[in-house]
Amino acid sequence: GAGVSQSPSNKVTEKGKDVELRCDPISGHTALYWYRQSLGQGLEFLIYFQGNSAPDKSGLPSDRFSAERTGGSVSTLTIQRTQQEDSAVYLCASSLADVSPGRFFSYEQYFGPGTRLTVT
Amino acid sequence: SQQGEEDPQALSIQEGENATMNCSYKTSINNLQWYRQNSGRGLVHLILIRSNEREKHSGRLRVTLDTSKKSSSLLITASRAADTASYFCATDKGAQKLVFGQGTRLTINP
Repeated sequence: GAGVSQSPSNKVTEKGKDVELRCDPISGHTALYWYRQSLGQGLEFLIYFQGNSAPDKSGLPSDRFSAERTGGSVSTLTIQRTQQEDSAVYLCASSLADVSPGRFFSYEQYFGPGTRLTVT
Repeated sequence: SQQGEEDPQALSIQEGENATMNCSYKTSINNLQWYRQNSGRGLVHLILIRSNEREKHSGRLRVTLDTSKKSSSLLITASRAADTASYFCATDKGAQKLVFGQGTRLTINP
């Protein structure tokens, strides 16, 4: 079946512009994650969705970053007034999830190919 | 904050040799996962080991988990050039996210 897809694959934008990144998860995966990876670095967690809800937004670097998910499927990550330090590869992942009150149990995450964002 | 830390940061071996990478973490976990990344783009899931498991195998991969030492190791046997990649461990603390380490860059020399 189809994997996680992301668009665009590459985005070059001028400082101060807004950008929108899209993620299409694997069908049936209720959990969706956004990460950021700067050159040569590990993955930095940004935000997690369970269904359309984002219980944990603590990883968003600033209020210029926002994300939403509709219909329990597609998610968009929006960066307003982009800065050069926003340049990175933005990775989306989806997974099954076992969620009960006060408990979260993760399964393996399936990653998309990423969007390489360059802010000039 | 960083939960998993891989060691070494970089490893270079000859094709056919075994490669061992280690991961240490700080707090209790539900499970620990290993991922591979080629060319700085999407990650590929390799193995998930749960906190009540001590060892898992998948093909040429062997993962161990020692919860008393808060450490895990990934062994790749009979390495191939195609194994050249970055390898990351990620820990699930039940906090609704995985926390990734900085990764080990593995180079297999022909």
